[in-house]
Amino acid sequence: GAVVSQHPSWVICKSGTSVKIECRSLDFQATTMFWYRQFPKQSLMLMATSNEGSKATYEQGVEKDKFLINHASLTLSTLTVTSAHPEDSSFYICSARPPSGYATGELFFGEGSRLTVL
Amino acid sequence: AQTVTQSQPEMSVQEAETVTLSCTYDTSESDYYLFWYKQPPSRQMILVIRQEAYKQQNATENRFSVNFQKAAKSFSLKISDSQLGDAAMYFCAYRTANSGNTPLVFGKGTRLSVIA
Repeated sequence: GAVVSQHPSWVICKSGTSVKIECRSLDFQATTMFWYRQFPKQSLMLMATSNEGSKATYEQGVEKDKFLINHASLTLSTLTVTSAHPEDSSFYICSARPPSGYATGELFFGEGSRLTVL
Repeated sequence: AQTVTQSQPEMSVQEAETVTLSCTYDTSESDYYLFWYKQPPSRQMILVIRQEAYKQQNATENRFSVNFQKAAKSFSLKISDSQLGDAAMYFCAYRTANSGNTPLVFGKGTRLSVIA
């Protein structure tokens, strides 16, 4: 149980276009999901916290108009990179908080999505 | 804010030997979780081991064990009988236990190489 899936796993787009990345909890309802960004050989940096039915909470320095997050259902959060530029190229990973019955503090991760902007 | 520090950017170990990865953290909270995650070249995050701060006993998962020193805010990972498949990035992570809507805070990671 507690499987999180991301799609697409790899996307290449032209500069100026928008790209949507999906994060789904497959076998549980996730009221909260987190989006991280990871540059090569670096750690995971929290971008935003996505709460079902409400606006996302963005970390300082993350442009909310550039990285649109929508958590419209209990199993799906999306990250849209708008007007993408080469500097947006990165690895994006989502994680979901499992139901309260999981008293382990653990978060479950998607497989990640590699974005390359040409 | 909580911070996690991994002071070893890279480590190497001979196959079948033991290696210890270091992690320290800073927090004013008394109730929290600590984790070690493994990230292989596929970049999928894999949970290696977890520790609840209220538990004094060190967590163990097969070849992986931790040395949790709460007063010193230290949480090291020991890998015994190292295998080639253990080669990966290892991230130490912290999460508060006081709220369900909080993320993981990661250290910068340690790249582990296993030498055959």
